[in-house]
Amino acid sequence: QQQVRQSPQSLTVWEGETAILNCSYEDSTFNYFPWYQQFPGEGPALLISIRSVSDKKEDGRFTIFFNKREKKLSLHITDSQPGDSATYFCAASGNTNTGKLTFGDGTVLTVKP
Amino acid sequence: GPKVLQIPSHQIIDMGQMVTLNCDPVSNHLYFYWYKQILGQQMEFLVNFYNGKVMEKSKLFKDQFSVERPDGSYFTLKIQPTALEDSAVYFCASSFAGSDTEVFFGKGTRLTVV
Repeated sequence: QQQVRQSPQSLTVWEGETAILNCSYEDSTFNYFPWYQQFPGEGPALLISIRSVSDKKEDGRFTIFFNKREKKLSLHITDSQPGDSATYFCAASGNTNTGKLTFGDGTVLTVKP
Repeated sequence: GPKVLQIPSHQIIDMGQMVTLNCDPVSNHLYFYWYKQILGQQMEFLVNFYNGKVMEKSKLFKDQFSVERPDGSYFTLKIQPTALEDSAVYFCASSFAGSDTEVFFGKGTRLTVV
């Protein structure tokens, strides 16, 4: 059973639009949710993260909305730019203190100019 | 920002041979990880390493896999012997703490087993 799920698998938006990427999880012990951005040929890089005690985290054009009851979160990218075109991974970790991250399958975002 | 360096970026090896993937983690980090990614898709956790020991490993971390960081040098992943299904991109990562902290990833080593 996949612990972290993402949708859609791919998403295309026009420059200036808001892209919404969805994530859900199964394990109720997960309490830290980073989103990673990955460009082709590169490693994932942390974009923004949220802890389960919060329901919203904002950093510039990137906002995470978190619903603990439904075990869902979403990443909103406002005023999307062609340079935002990348794969976005939702990840989760719990109270194990081992640093292990469980990743979703990723959403491939394409922003058309 | 902090960099995790991986050497080599690409390695081609004959099935059954041994391969060692090298990682130079961020200098003051204490936790080290290997992840496996196939075809740019899901990142799958293999193993983490702290204080000279494996803390946790997944079912993907087969008996043929081993990790070590001798004398604080490179953090290595050794596969012996390699199998065709080991072909993937292997990402090394490191973090300062074991929870609620940014994990930094390298650019990956693309391993092709032929």
